Amino acid sequence: EVQLVESGGGVVRPGGSLRLSCAASGFTFDDFALSWVRQAPGKGLEWVSGINWNGGSTGYVDSVKGRFTISRDNAKNTLYLQMKSLRAEDTALYHCARDQYLSEAFDIWGQGTMVSVSS
Amino acid sequence: QSALTQPASVSGSPGQSITISCTGTSSDVGGYNFVSWYQQHPGKAPKLMIFDVSNRPSGVSNRFSGSKSGNTASLTISGLQAEDEADYYCSSYTSRSTRVFGTGTRVTVL
Repeated sequence: EVQLVESGGGVVRPGGSLRLSCAASGFTFDDFALSWVRQAPGKGLEWVSGINWNGGSTGYVDSVKGRFTISRDNAKNTLYLQMKSLRAEDTALYHCARDQYLSEAFDIWGQGTMVSVSS
Repeated sequence: QSALTQPASVSGSPGQSITISCTGTSSDVGGYNFVSWYQQHPGKAPKLMIFDVSNRPSGVSNRFSGSKSGNTASLTISGLQAEDEADYYCSSYTSRSTRVFGTGTRVTVL
């Protein structure tokens, strides 16, 4: 079964750090680009960051540039999101999502891991 | 990187057709045929319904169709069913090599 499972979420104080992980299974991990998409409680979806198949190309939404770093370990079939200088507005459910082959759509989604930034 | 504009809510009776619009700019929706649509039921992960403007993934009902004209993309659900009640989001590739989602539309089946 094709699957993405996120972990690493939790409660953190403003200014703190957290590293999210996304473990993939059921497909050839290094054939696909991946992204992180977040959803604040009761709000819509927001694309946060993306990475190509080998990690050589990355992108970020302006609000997280310089604070978040996306990376991947193809040997471990795992995607990461290192988050620093966290703010209250980063509070959200963070999903990892797979880019559909030869498309810019997200065809596989994880259930998400919750990040709460609060003092 | 402003969100694409969608109506907050759309409703229809069972069997009817509804259309959800998604308006962006020439730097996203209008500039690329990389518009996708997602269905999200409460507490669930989003599900891909349409990719590359008008293509349906395997397993998605042919009651769902997509189109684009200029800077506005549209998702049409025909033969509306109770199970279609959900939130729907559009997404587009952008000229900055990023992605942007729409504001989301709540579909209610009356």
